[in-house]
Amino acid sequence: DSGVTQTPKHLITATGQRVTLRCSPRSGDLSVYWYQQSLDQGLQFLIQYYNGEERAKGNILERFSAQQFPDLHSELNLSSLELGDSALYFCASSADRQETQYFGPGTRLLVL
Amino acid sequence: AQTVTQSQPEMSVQEAETVTLSCTYDTSENNYYLFWYKQPPSRQMILVIRQEAYKQQNATENRFSVNFQKAAKSFSLKISDSQLGDTAMYFCAFIVGANNLFFGTGTRLTVIP
Repeated sequence: DSGVTQTPKHLITATGQRVTLRCSPRSGDLSVYWYQQSLDQGLQFLIQYYNGEERAKGNILERFSAQQFPDLHSELNLSSLELGDSALYFCASSADRQETQYFGPGTRLLVL
Repeated sequence: AQTVTQSQPEMSVQEAETVTLSCTYDTSENNYYLFWYKQPPSRQMILVIRQEAYKQQNATENRFSVNFQKAAKSFSLKISDSQLGDTAMYFCAFIVGANNLFFGTGTRLTVIP
């Protein structure tokens, strides 16, 4: 158990819908990262927050957004969902930059 | 650009034998950190081992060790005394300058009983 929690574990929804994925980092970790793992794209970095502030952006679509709250948990919002958004979404946390990132169990999203 | 290459999509090894997974990377930075993560069928991403680029000594964690060749930008993972529970996808990754991990495409390892 990495200490990072993610909810829900599974999510099935329809195209055009909006979903929210939630992540709680390990105790004491200030950085939260979101990654997308799809069959044909491998693991792609989406976005990083540090202590409530956005720190880095990767290949995140404009339909996706995220935030980190004062209690350090983070949410990833995916809107206007498309079939291609079906993937495993991971949250990871670390104490600070270049520190080891520990991954949550992931949320498996299926868009029908 | 930061890239990670894992040239072995699939590998297999007999139980109790030793196997080496290859990884090369490309960066112009001098200070970075390298990782191997394991993803078993459960899909959980599990840290296997970490190597700081400024350290010459190769990292070791029980049956797992790395061969880090900085000049060649090579970072291979050796698994000794392979066990059935080692069956998984193995991802090589690194952090450089920015804060996110750059991942390779993975090597699927099967341990044969």
